[in-house]
Amino acid sequence: GQQVMQIPQYQHVQEGEDFTTYCNSSTTLSNIQWYKQRPGGHPVFLIQLVKSGEVKKQKRLTFQFGEAKKNSSLHITATQTTDVGTYFCAGDAGNMLTFGGGTRLMVKP
Amino acid sequence: DAGVTQSPTHLIKTRGQQVTLRCSPISGHKSVSWYQQVLGQGPQFIFQYYEKEERGRGNFPDRFSARQFPNYSSELNVNALLLGDSALYLCASTFTGGAYNEQFFGPGTRLTVL
Repeated sequence: GQQVMQIPQYQHVQEGEDFTTYCNSSTTLSNIQWYKQRPGGHPVFLIQLVKSGEVKKQKRLTFQFGEAKKNSSLHITATQTTDVGTYFCAGDAGNMLTFGGGTRLMVKP
Repeated sequence: DAGVTQSPTHLIKTRGQQVTLRCSPISGHKSVSWYQQVLGQGPQFIFQYYEKEERGRGNFPDRFSARQFPNYSSELNVNALLLGDSALYLCASTFTGGAYNEQFFGPGTRLTVL
């Protein structure tokens, strides 16, 4: 079945540093979604990418979808303590979402 | 508008017992999905229902079953509980037909199997 891998599993950064998490799917995706889950909370939708090579920005967050529609990345510029949480990518290959294992971001003030 | 609601919030069961978890989607959302999230891992897809019909099923044993009611609320049933079923069970609703098919997650039900 479809597998979605995310790296790194954990990332500690100093406030103000940049952060990137990478996502790879074993199969071609129709779209990819990104979610953020705060400690003790539930996943919250951030964005959906559909087109090959698509790049979308939300303030300090930049999302990319690979040309082959099998990989994606999330980059955060100048992290803040409010960015703390686990970031998940979720690949949509039809009628189900397959989540990656997530990257837990910790930010030191 | 209220978000996705789930009940109960927490549940403690013993091995071999059965459990029913409930979910009410956002008003207007006809699709409901269930996920299992083990601590430290990403959510794993269990079921998707749309208009009361099962549209997708993840790699879970037959002990797991679900249904959707005419008002689009949903129940997840797990029989013959195992220790490994301990997890956060998340329900998510989706508005089909929009620009995005984002999942709106509820707060989850924390199930502990002893």
